[in-house]
Amino acid sequence: DTAVSQTPKYLVTQMGNDKSIKCEQNLGHDTMYWYKQDSKKFLKIMFSYNNKELIINETVPNRFSPKSPDKAHLNLHINSLELGDSAVYFCASAGTSGSGTYEQYFGPGTRLTVT
Amino acid sequence: AQTVTQSQPEMSVQEAETVTLSCTYDTSESNYYLFWYKQPPSRQMILVIRQEAYKQQNATENRFSVNFQKAAKSFSLKISDSQLGDTAMYFCAFSAGGTSYGKLTFGQGTILTVHP
Repeated sequence: DTAVSQTPKYLVTQMGNDKSIKCEQNLGHDTMYWYKQDSKKFLKIMFSYNNKELIINETVPNRFSPKSPDKAHLNLHINSLELGDSAVYFCASAGTSGSGTYEQYFGPGTRLTVT
Repeated sequence: AQTVTQSQPEMSVQEAETVTLSCTYDTSESNYYLFWYKQPPSRQMILVIRQEAYKQQNATENRFSVNFQKAAKSFSLKISDSQLGDTAMYFCAFSAGGTSYGKLTFGQGTILTVHP
């Protein structure tokens, strides 16, 4: 009964390849995100979608293209992978709980290794 | 733009003792939320505790509590009766209300080690 799920959890690929990461949430939230955690463990927002509409694009290279087919899904496609893309990518979703409190939950992360 | 600073790269504590992790932030927003997330070696980001800026009362969740000092822009996490399972990296995070759609701005993280 996972709230936010991502596939795959591990991805090893060569430079120049294209790859996708998928994310799904069953929390009924309206907003979803992609975050990147670098080798120093620093976490930074990449994209945010609200009801399938792109809201935030934080100066991410054009090689990264998010897509939201519906508000429960947010995928990340990466073209022409580079060594510097190696990182852990987290999907998250956010909304208001039944008690009215704002909450944001993360998926398990996808460790991408580019060789 | 908001910034979040965690000035303690590493902390350690003996099992059953209490430890406090520090966090300061800078913002011009009046409506915002603050969070502490835990990231154990499994890398899962786990929400530990949240605080709404408009609430004066400090949030508590079992052994975890915060000291929210809005004027000082400080948001520390106190872990009481530390357990071995608390060993993890802890991130302080800020989220503005309004049209920012809740993106989180994270601090650099604090590695907490609980010793038996």
